[in-house]
Amino acid sequence: DPKIIQKPKYLVAVTGSEKILICEQYLGHNAMYWYRQSAKKPLEFMFSYSYQKLMDNQTASSRFQPQSSKKNHLDLQITALKPDDSATYFCASSQDRRLGGYEQYFGPGTRLTVL
Amino acid sequence: GDSVIQMQGQVTLSENDFLFINCTYSTTGYPTLFWYVQYSGEGPQLLLQVTTANNKGSSRGFEATYDKGTTSFHLQKTSVQEIDSAVYYCAMRGTNYNQGKLIFGQGTKLSIKP
Repeated sequence: DPKIIQKPKYLVAVTGSEKILICEQYLGHNAMYWYRQSAKKPLEFMFSYSYQKLMDNQTASSRFQPQSSKKNHLDLQITALKPDDSATYFCASSQDRRLGGYEQYFGPGTRLTVL
Repeated sequence: GDSVIQMQGQVTLSENDFLFINCTYSTTGYPTLFWYVQYSGEGPQLLLQVTTANNKGSSRGFEATYDKGTTSFHLQKTSVQEIDSAVYYCAMRGTNYNQGKLIFGQGTKLSIKP
């Protein structure tokens, strides 16, 4: 059974629209993350959450807003979509962000294409 | 700032060849280092990790040694198989440990000819 669920797997959007990427983890972890992978850049850290609190935000734009309604959920809302936002977005989780060496488990990703 | 560098974008080998993928890092202190593997259509998964406490990691026939002197963390495997075809990422925890941020290299795509 998948431990990290990301929905949808593929997403096509038009420029200027808004989309929400869903992530749920069933690993009992306390920390969750979003990363982005595009043709231009490798895996790029976006956000980290711990116990549903934002710990780090490395995105330059406020168009990207994580939302944590439950401890095991971390959705990503993207507004005013641009073609440059086209990428695969990965959700990840770990037992605890603070302690060294804790493995981050990645979900299968949502591939977003903005036309 | 913190960075991880993988110069080899692509490596093509035959089965049973020796694999060596370069990775160097730049940061202050001695970070925890990782190798992740990403198979086609999947998310990255941890292959191995190393801290200064143990200096060497190994998993599934892959090995990596932490060299603080040269700030390197190369990945090696004695004899690759076709199932090893994937993209390999070297990664490092960010300097601010509390944030849990992983910094990834550019990735090395390994293709194995049968």
